[in-house]
Amino acid sequence: AQSVTQLDSHVSVSEGTPVLLRCNYSSSYSPSLFWYVQHPNKGLQLLLKYTSAATLVKGINGFEAEFKKSETSFHLTKPSAHMSDAAEYFCVVSEGGATNKLIFGTGTLLAVQP
Amino acid sequence: DAEITQSPRHKITETGRQVTLACHQTWNHNNMFWYRQDLGHGLRLIHYSYGVQDTNKGEVSDGYSVSRSNTEDLPLTLESAASSQTSVYFCASSDLGTDTQYFGPGTRLTVL
Repeated sequence: AQSVTQLDSHVSVSEGTPVLLRCNYSSSYSPSLFWYVQHPNKGLQLLLKYTSAATLVKGINGFEAEFKKSETSFHLTKPSAHMSDAAEYFCVVSEGGATNKLIFGTGTLLAVQP
Repeated sequence: DAEITQSPRHKITETGRQVTLACHQTWNHNNMFWYRQDLGHGLRLIHYSYGVQDTNKGEVSDGYSVSRSNTEDLPLTLESAASSQTSVYFCASSDLGTDTQYFGPGTRLTVL
């Protein structure tokens, strides 16, 4: 069965410093992996999606993620944090097959200090 | 622009009452999903549908039901609301053959 583990429930960075949100996945095949972002009191917005076309995936707002099969990781990074990046981030794996169902990690809350 | 909407955005109800949360999408997507979001659990799947007249149970379906009479709508009904169903509920949709889901803004439900 597919699953994801977000290694940090809270991450705090200073504005202008790099962001690293860690995610490990478990899958019996080559999965689709996603990062979604949820700003306070808002719905979830797709940041980026990996589908095996390229291991480095670029998303919106300067975020990117690298798929590393050998490490079963899909970490999210951004070179320089902005105050507007403060939100909760979810790593998500597709269940696969024809189900189109998604399995969510428990989320990482990113705080950005001025 | 196509979108997915939920109503109401906030709802307070009492234990034992029936509650229906609406979800409407104008993407013309075949697939629709209902999730609940609780602290420490991420999003958990309640029910989903792959098309009109199709409904399926997710991992936390007890106490909930859905029906799909058209492509655009998938209402979620709590037959007899319980305090354990206090949560934020999200509706999502995806196109046929794709696993990328688009989410509504959520409904915050409080059961007293």
